[in-house]
Amino acid sequence: AQTVTQSQPEMSVQEAETVTLSCTYDTSENNYYLFWYKQPPSRQMILVIRQEAYKQQNATENRFSVNFQKAAKSFSLKISDSQLGDTAMYFCAFMKIQGAQKLVFGQGTRLTINP
Amino acid sequence: KAGVTQTPRYLIKTRGQQVTLSCSPISGHRSVSWYQQTPGQGLQFLFEYFSETQRNKGNFPGRFSGRQFSNSRSEMNVSTLELGDSALYLCASSLSTTNTEAFFGQGTRLTVV
Repeated sequence: AQTVTQSQPEMSVQEAETVTLSCTYDTSENNYYLFWYKQPPSRQMILVIRQEAYKQQNATENRFSVNFQKAAKSFSLKISDSQLGDTAMYFCAFMKIQGAQKLVFGQGTRLTINP
Repeated sequence: KAGVTQTPRYLIKTRGQQVTLSCSPISGHRSVSWYQQTPGQGLQFLFEYFSETQRNKGNFPGRFSGRQFSNSRSEMNVSTLELGDSALYLCASSLSTTNTEAFFGQGTRLTVV
């Protein structure tokens, strides 16, 4: 079975700073997908960024980028120039390539951006 | 294009009752997954439906069931409610089972008293 661990329950930074959220996972699969989801107070989960394990290049989406270390089974999210609207719960998630649309989530990191 | 719609948004039920939650996926999406979110257990996969067939089920008791209709709308049912079933239930839809981009609804907050 796959497990996802987020070791930082809460983080807080000032607006415009850069912040990195950590995620490690455990799997015996060789090919899979990794995701970061954001859940603001509205409760709706929003996909932030996606990484295919078979791609060596780290994914980027505007201010969001990941550091994917496959051998270390590490998948951190970096938010640059943080904004007040980035305040939310952030979840790291794993999905096997084969099989059902089943996301395995970490416990989440509550990120607060302070003005 | 309308997003994933979950109804109702809030629900209060009494122990022992049953409840049905509804999820309308994005138009054209055929895969619907359900998740339970609680402070203690976090986000846990319940089940996934595609073309009216359950493709995978999480580790939940048989009191939790679901179905999908020909228009891809899905319902989940919880019978004989327990206090521990109080949670946010999230539905996600995607184009197909191989498409990894899942779009979530805003969830149904179920409180069991």
